[in-house]
Amino acid sequence: KQEVTQIPAALSVPEGENLVLNCSFTDSAIYNLQWFRQDPGKGLTSLLLIQSSQREQTSGRLNASLDKSSGRSTLYIAASQPGDSATYLCAVEKPNDYKLSFGAGTTVTVRA
Amino acid sequence: GAGVSQTPSNKVTEKGKYVELRCDPISGHTALYWYRQSLGQGPEFLIYFQGTGAADDSGLPNDRFFAVRPEGSVSTLKIQRTERGDSAVYLCASSLSLAGGPDTQYFGPGTRLTVL
Repeated sequence: KQEVTQIPAALSVPEGENLVLNCSFTDSAIYNLQWFRQDPGKGLTSLLLIQSSQREQTSGRLNASLDKSSGRSTLYIAASQPGDSATYLCAVEKPNDYKLSFGAGTTVTVRA
Repeated sequence: GAGVSQTPSNKVTEKGKYVELRCDPISGHTALYWYRQSLGQGPEFLIYFQGTGAADDSGLPNDRFFAVRPEGSVSTLKIQRTERGDSAVYLCASSLSLAGGPDTQYFGPGTRLTVL
């Protein structure tokens, strides 16, 4: 069974600092990995999707890397803003499986 | 366009009662998923529909849980004889499910179920 772990569980930084969120998974045979954002009482919003053949994806201030062989992904958020405060979840999908296996998330607080 | 919607947003029920949770996927999305998220945890897969049929129900915890999607659009998750341990946020997601490519799942806001 795929186990997904996110460290740290919570993170508090001053505005402007870069954020580094880590995700590890036990089974490297994945189809893709996604990073989601979840605001309190809301659903999940997909931020970035990295296919297994890719090493990284970028969108604006967000950059996600994938090292499939070591079972790791990192989400970088540059120049953090208070609006970045949320819980960030990573999820992996196995080939021909469709369902996502999620980590427990990292709750980020960006202090103004 | 409209995203995935879920009703009700909150449901409080008593132990032993029956509840139904509804999901309206994005129009045209053939794939629909139900997940359950307990406090402080990531979502856990419950069931996946492709069209009208349940392609994978391996995540349903026991036979008190059942889901339908009779016309390949709206889905209802049904929980019989609710228990306090069923309290969680139930999330629905849908996707285009195009063959040969990555398939982003779009999530609804969830239904928060509280069993007293």
